[in-house]
Amino acid sequence: GAVVSQHPSWVICKSGTSVKIECRSLDFQATTMFWYRQFPKQSLMLMATSNEGSKATYEQGVEKDKFLINHASLTLSTLTVTSAHPEDSSFYICSASKLAGGWYEQYFGPGTRLTVT
Amino acid sequence: KQEVTQIPAALSVPEGENLVLNCSFTDSAIYNLQWFRQDPGKGLTSLLLIQSSQREQTSGRLNASLDKSSGRSTLYIAASQPGDSATYLCAVSGDYKLSFGAGTTVTVRA
Repeated sequence: GAVVSQHPSWVICKSGTSVKIECRSLDFQATTMFWYRQFPKQSLMLMATSNEGSKATYEQGVEKDKFLINHASLTLSTLTVTSAHPEDSSFYICSASKLAGGWYEQYFGPGTRLTVT
Repeated sequence: KQEVTQIPAALSVPEGENLVLNCSFTDSAIYNLQWFRQDPGKGLTSLLLIQSSQREQTSGRLNASLDKSSGRSTLYIAASQPGDSATYLCAVSGDYKLSFGAGTTVTVRA
């Protein structure tokens, strides 16, 4: 199997506070993890790619000082939304990459619903 | 930059009817194409993955075709059931990244 978990599944926080979201690969080691955000009725947009032990690579337009990513081990990546504002409210999904059948396939977590009030 | 488009955005059919979902992409230099299912408020479930060298993949009632040269893929779902109601996302892999379409939301009426 290739199971990816996220914690928490939903979180409500006040504007100005920081929130940490965890992404874990439960039964495999993932050298690369990805973070996406999804607005209602819109597609998943890649925010950043993280490799274990190195700095994350952010997509154009994503503020790296606002969305801090740490990939401390082969099974855990965290996304911290700093000084959250209502416009950061979204559905955040992570994925972990595993070699399968000769290519790298991404396995997705269940997502985290963030609401900033 | 890869652009992925899915048409239609929404589809409503009676139970038993076959579903045809379309996906188009602008850059044909892809490694593979993948179809996902997403239920409301949930993560993604992978349905089918087609390698760039393949023309189609089948799993049960699902069949996906890929025409890389024209930048198109089609997902067929035979004999639809109410449990098939969900949003279906198409994603293409170039390099190590996935580019997603906005999805087709399917409602199957009992």
